[in-house]
Amino acid sequence: GNSVTQMEGPVTLSEEAFLTINCTYTATGYPSLFWYVQYPGEGLQLLLKATKADDKGSNKGFEATYRKETTSFHLEKGSVQVSDSAVYFCALTPANQAGTALIFGKGTTLSVSS
Amino acid sequence: ETGVTQTPRHLVMGMTNKKSLKCEQHLGHNAMYWYKQSAKKPLELMFVYNFKEQTENNSVPSRFSPECPNSSHLFLHLHTLQPEDSALYLCASSHPTSSYEQYFGPGTRLTVT
Repeated sequence: GNSVTQMEGPVTLSEEAFLTINCTYTATGYPSLFWYVQYPGEGLQLLLKATKADDKGSNKGFEATYRKETTSFHLEKGSVQVSDSAVYFCALTPANQAGTALIFGKGTTLSVSS
Repeated sequence: ETGVTQTPRHLVMGMTNKKSLKCEQHLGHNAMYWYKQSAKKPLELMFVYNFKEQTENNSVPSRFSPECPNSSHLFLHLHTLQPEDSALYLCASSHPTSSYEQYFGPGTRLTVT
């Protein structure tokens, strides 16, 4: 079946450090891949997406590249800020199945200190 | 008007109460979703509606009853809940045929006493 595995947290970094949150997936074909972010007390916000192999999604300094060969979609940011502290979720939609549920990883908590 | 709104934001109810959660989207989407987010558990899909028709029910207990009167509104009717139903309930919407990303509301934090 379809599934998403992301690194366990929490991840604790100092401001301006480099961030990587690993995400791998299991799915047939070419699913669409997403990173969502959840700030304390809020719902999920779409951070970035990629819909085909080798696509790079980017937003607010975050990037992730769709790697079909390694079935991965790792999230990176070159210099984190305190305001990036949140829970990050990797997710997928199965290939050619718009209008169906997202399949989420368990989430990774990021804490950035000044 | 923000994209997806949910009311109430917080709800405390007893096990014998009946209450409803409301979700409204202003994005022109035709697919709507209910998810449950419990502490230390992955996000769980509950229901999916496409063009007002329920297309997925993830084996949700009957004490949760969804209603989708039109493509912009989605309700979750609650009755005789259990304490383990306490969670954050998230609504989302998407365009069912032309895009895959979903847009989420802020959630309703439900506490069952």
